Amino acid sequence: EAGVAQSPRYKIIEKRQSVAFWCNPISGHATLYWYQQILGQGPKLLIQFQNNGVVDDSQLPKDRFSAERLKGVDSTLKIQPAKLEDSAVYLCASSTTETQYFGPGTRLLVL
Amino acid sequence: SQQGEEDPQALSIQEGENATMNCSYKTSINNLQWYRQNSGRGLVHLILIRSNEREKHSGRLRVTLDTSKKSSSLLITASRAADTASYFCATDGGYQKVTFGIGTKLQVIP
Repeated sequence: EAGVAQSPRYKIIEKRQSVAFWCNPISGHATLYWYQQILGQGPKLLIQFQNNGVVDDSQLPKDRFSAERLKGVDSTLKIQPAKLEDSAVYLCASSTTETQYFGPGTRLLVL
Repeated sequence: SQQGEEDPQALSIQEGENATMNCSYKTSINNLQWYRQNSGRGLVHLILIRSNEREKHSGRLRVTLDTSKKSSSLLITASRAADTASYFCATDGGYQKVTFGIGTKLQVIP
């Protein structure tokens, strides 16, 4: 069974630029999550989808972050414009039950 | 906000020793999970314990849950160098909404 795929794996941008991350969850997983993990901290939930509907986006900075999950499968997370404090690893996970399966993450560096 | 708080934040032991890490949380939960994260990689699910369970085992892992104290512990027995990683507890308060703690960084010295 293929795992959660994410791309790109690494991204370096300058502040005020925009960036997009892509996630392909495990086939059949209805729930998809995006997390932000700052160095030395635990993952912080940004947004949770159930199929293509948003369950929780209370911690998503909506003035600069946006996410969509078209057709209830793949998802993209966008940051526009990026700030220095957005430097982090962005993790995507999917699940059918309580167990989440994580992708390898995208490491973002904002200069 | 992060509900779980792991203790200690860092732990260094010799190979073969047991490693114990603790997690405390603040609100009621449906279940509590432990995940492992190797450096620069994604998280891997280790074990899940439900709110009506007190202890669970999986291989060299033993998890306990005390809902009256809002705390859990993860014991790794006979540690190996490959166990070197960060360990996170994650609390599920319902609807599969999971909140992660700040993690314990475990180093197992060969």
